[in-house]
Amino acid sequence: DAGVTQSPTHLIKTRGQQVTLRCSPKSGHDTVSWYQQALGQGPQFIFQYYEEEERQRGNFPDRFSGHQFPNYSSELNVNALLLGDSALYLCASSHGTGGYEQYFGPGTRLTVT
Amino acid sequence: SQQGEEDPQALSIQEGENATMNCSYKTSINNLQWYRQNSGRGLVHLILIRSNEREKHSGRLRVTLDTSKKSSSLLITASRAADTASYFCATDDNFNKFYFGSGTKLNVKP
Repeated sequence: DAGVTQSPTHLIKTRGQQVTLRCSPKSGHDTVSWYQQALGQGPQFIFQYYEEEERQRGNFPDRFSGHQFPNYSSELNVNALLLGDSALYLCASSHGTGGYEQYFGPGTRLTVT
Repeated sequence: SQQGEEDPQALSIQEGENATMNCSYKTSINNLQWYRQNSGRGLVHLILIRSNEREKHSGRLRVTLDTSKKSSSLLITASRAADTASYFCATDDNFNKFYFGSGTKLNVKP
């Protein structure tokens, strides 16, 4: 039973560019949440997708957008990259939208130069 | 801003000792969860405690929740070198938004 997978593992982009990160949830899970984790900090909630819709959103600008596909996989898109967007981006899946344990992927390390 | 805050920020103990870390949060919650993270990799779920529960056990882990004080504690008994990691508490509120603290770095010396 595959757990949560994310791609790519590492990514280097230039300021102003756009990036797409991908996540496949654990088998049987229908909800995907995305987090940004800066070095030495805890993860910060970006948004959550359920039934192909954004259900909840944290304190992130509109440059951060996402999508969930019918097979429950998800994408995180970040436009107009800033140096401050450099971080580990974590995807977590769960069965249901709240009150359930989340299973995390290994993350995508994004470096913006 | 993050709702949960762990204390202490760092903890160094000898193998076999117990480790206690605390988490405080600001608003009402549905659930509180504890996660472990090794070296900046993905987080591993340890235990979930619901707002109407006061204590929960899982193996060497014991979690308490005091909703009147808006705080939780994680106790790891008989620690091992493999327990060395960062530990985070996470809360979800009535709007199903999730908040992580800044973590406690635990170092267990062999």
